[in-house]
Amino acid sequence: QAQLLQSGAEVKKPGASVRVSCKASGYNFMTYFMYWVRQAPGQGLEWVGWINPQSGGTKLAQKFQGRVTLTRDTSITTGYMDFNNLRPDDTAMYYCSRDLGDWGQGTLVTVSS
Amino acid sequence: DIVMTQSPRSLSVTLGQPASISCRSSQSLVHKNGNTYLIWFHQRPGQSPRRLIYQVSNRDSGVPDRFSGSGSVTDFTLRISRVEAEDVGIYYCMQGTYLTTFGQGTRLEI
Repeated sequence: QAQLLQSGAEVKKPGASVRVSCKASGYNFMTYFMYWVRQAPGQGLEWVGWINPQSGGTKLAQKFQGRVTLTRDTSITTGYMDFNNLRPDDTAMYYCSRDLGDWGQGTLVTVSS
Repeated sequence: DIVMTQSPRSLSVTLGQPASISCRSSQSLVHKNGNTYLIWFHQRPGQSPRRLIYQVSNRDSGVPDRFSGSGSVTDFTLRISRVEAEDVGIYYCMQGTYLTTFGQGTRLEI
């Protein structure tokens, strides 16, 4: 049974950076892309990007290019989303997902002065 | 960018009655490999999304057979044959043929 365990909620000031982690277990970490999706309060789902754990290759939605970096540490089967220069409208629940089939519990990132 | 448009945006259904949600893409979702990467998700309040259907019509493991997906090219439909109380929430379509785009969501209530 695949499980994805995300890091805890974060509160950041505008302009700050945040790292969200996603610890994967119960499946071959190298075999499935890890997706990152966010959901602003009361809003719909928005694709942030994905990482291929095998190669480390990534693809980001255009609006996040330059502010988001996706990485992984295969030795501990964990993916990371680094988000810099945060703005208040980046306040959202951030989800990681194993190929969109299994999802983490979400990490709430609040950006407020 | 591909735009995914769902309709209706909200749906009120009587228990045991059918429900249908439409999803239209702004361009063909047929990949050059011949597959169509159209997915349906369900999200209950306060929960993570759950994938129901992948590649238009394939149900995920554990998804009740009252859920079915159909369509092709740019027009897709999710059908629930007999709505149950646990089906409330928001349904999203998503295309994965050209990067990834979600529809705006359809809220289903009883």
